[in-house]
Amino acid sequence: SAVISQKPSRDICQRGTSLTIQCQVDSQVTMMFWYRQQPGQSLTLIATANQGSEATYESGFVIDKFPISRPNLTFSTLTVSNMSPEDSSIYLCSVLPGHSYEQYFGPGTRLTVT
Amino acid sequence: GQQVMQIPQYQHVQEGEDFTTYCNSSTTLSNIQWYKQRPGGHPVFLIQLVKSGEVKKQKRLTFQFGEAKKNSSLHITATQTTDVGTYFCAGVFTNAGKSTFGDGTTLTVKP
Repeated sequence: SAVISQKPSRDICQRGTSLTIQCQVDSQVTMMFWYRQQPGQSLTLIATANQGSEATYESGFVIDKFPISRPNLTFSTLTVSNMSPEDSSIYLCSVLPGHSYEQYFGPGTRLTVT
Repeated sequence: GQQVMQIPQYQHVQEGEDFTTYCNSSTTLSNIQWYKQRPGGHPVFLIQLVKSGEVKKQKRLTFQFGEAKKNSSLHITATQTTDVGTYFCAGVFTNAGKSTFGDGTTLTVKP
C-alpha cells in the first residue's frame, strides 16, 4: 500500500487565477495519476504523471490547462490554470505502488471557483 | 471509447438485506478492481480480479469475474449501516495501461 497526502485539502479561487495542487507519496512509485471527480459523479482520468518526461493526457484535457510536474518518484503537482466555475471539482491523485492495478488515492483537493 | 457500465446507479436497502452491483464491458478486460468511497471520502481499494470466473470473498462481500472477463459483480450479504457509500468498479482493457472507472453504485442502508 501507500500513504498519500495532498495539499491544499480545499480552496476557493477566483475565476482567471491558477491553483497548484501537490501530491506526496510515502514511497517511490512509478505510476501516478490525476483524476477529477464532480460531486456525485465517477472519476475522470486527467493524465498520467510520468517521472522525467511529459505527462500523458486523456482526451479532453490539455497541458496548457492542466500542466503537471513529476520531478521524482514520490511527488507530483497538478496546476489548474485560468480557472472557470466549470473547474469546480474534487481533484485526486492516485498511485500504483506495485505491479498490479491496485490504486491508492490521496484524500483529494476540493476546488471551488467563483 | 471503451467504457465500463455499472448498474444500478442507486440502491436503497433495509439493514440486513442483500445488495448487488454489476459491471459490464463490451470488450474483454484484462482485470477489474473494486473500490469503495464513503461519503466525503476518497476511493479505497477493495479487491482485484484477474482470472476468468474468479470468485473472491471478504467477509460479507463476494466478488465475481465473469467467464468471458466482460462482467463482474459485487454482492454484499446482510448489509450494515457501515456499508453505506459508493462502490466503483474499474476495468483495465488489454494493453490500456490504466483503469476505466464505472459510474458507481451508491448504496444507502436504512437502519
